[in-house]
Amino acid sequence: SQQGEEDPQALSIQEGENATMNCSYKTSINNLQWYRQNSGRGLVHLILIRSNEREKHSGRLRVTLDTSKKSSSLLITASRAADTASYFCASYYNQGGKLIFGQGTELSVKP
Amino acid sequence: GAGVSQSPSNKVTEKGKDVELRCDPISGHTALYWYRQSLGQGLEFLIYFQGNSAPDKSGLPSDRFSAERTGGSVSTLTIQRTQQEDSAVYLCASSADRDNEQFFGPGTRLTVL
Repeated sequence: SQQGEEDPQALSIQEGENATMNCSYKTSINNLQWYRQNSGRGLVHLILIRSNEREKHSGRLRVTLDTSKKSSSLLITASRAADTASYFCASYYNQGGKLIFGQGTELSVKP
Repeated sequence: GAGVSQSPSNKVTEKGKDVELRCDPISGHTALYWYRQSLGQGLEFLIYFQGNSAPDKSGLPSDRFSAERTGGSVSTLTIQRTQQEDSAVYLCASSADRDNEQFFGPGTRLTVL
């Protein structure tokens, strides 16, 4: 299976703390994307990082990509209760033309 | 502009019946994807349409599943002779190009009794 892995599967933190989620993938990618899902319905795109990029920021989000380790991490700084959701990484592989999603990390931010 | 829409939002059917799920992608998006998500699980890729190219059907779990995309826009996912294990949320997404961010619809929750 090409499907990547995410860890942790679940993360519970206090408001104001930082949350870090990790993602690993299998083969060479064109880009890696992170998505957020509330209540088991539609996903919302958060950020895309290309294979030639090492770090990217968007507001309180910071994504890193290490192609030598085939891994990425998503850092949410100064978390808020509203950040509670499931977070998925998705790898776009050079071959195949489709995104392969990880199993997700369920983040709970307690007020 | 409107986002990706899906209908129905919920569908309850009896085992053995056929169902059709509809997806209206964002206008102008050339790529359209169908995924399935079981409770508490990740997204399972089903099928992918890109422009006028032949669709990538590699994720369809059985020959009971099929999908069409008419006129490069609306797509219909058909499940024939539904089984209880088909119960899941079916998500559709579109993107402007195949490696761009995907915009997801709200999903159709299918329950097979």
